[in-house]
Amino acid sequence: DIQMTQSPSSLSASVGDRVAITCRASQSISTYLSWYQQKPGKAPKLLIYTTSTLQRGVPSRFSGSGSGTQFTLTISSLQPEDFATYFCQQSYNTRFTFGPGTTVDIK
Amino acid sequence: QVQLQESGPGLVKPSETLSLICNVSGGSISGYQWSWLRQAPGKGVEWIAYVSYSGSTNYIPSLKSRVTISIDKSKNLFSLKMTSVTAADTAIYFCAGYEMQYGYFDPWGQGTLVTVSS
Repeated sequence: DIQMTQSPSSLSASVGDRVAITCRASQSISTYLSWYQQKPGKAPKLLIYTTSTLQRGVPSRFSGSGSGTQFTLTISSLQPEDFATYFCQQSYNTRFTFGPGTTVDIK
Repeated sequence: QVQLQESGPGLVKPSETLSLICNVSGGSISGYQWSWLRQAPGKGVEWIAYVSYSGSTNYIPSLKSRVTISIDKSKNLFSLKMTSVTAADTAIYFCAGYEMQYGYFDPWGQGTLVTVSS
């Protein structure tokens, strides 16, 4: 199976900060990478798919980049509603796997 | 838009069978690969299985021997059965639609907590 890792596992940031979260795959997954946001007690919410395509309704401060084995989710200016856990998911093959998550909390 | 709602027992005894249902509303059941995923307390998300509109299935190898996913097109729902559950199966179980062309899970149900305990 393709293993997904994320760094950092958590970070503290302030409103207005630029935040970057890295996701790495254990083998090349081309650009078959999605990003989700999850708040406590809620289902994951799709943010980005195929590495860099913003899901409809997701603010443009979110962006994604990368290819192969290394990917980045960037929040250009952190807003209060963005404090949450973020995780990546590969769909290179149909044994879908998710990253362990990165928790963004308030500094 | 398509909405999903899970239903299930909440509490299951060890060695018994867990049965979950996901009701699909607000749209066609033909557009997605219908999936079950789970998230153990404080852990990441684990994909379990999907079923297509045609009934073809795909399972995570580690659970394949204990899990069956099925679809009931007449009732717009799909379901999951997991046999011989243990405490390790305690988790929030989500149903979701997998969009095959772009490789993402959306929409999601709200999730249902299943606790395995005697």
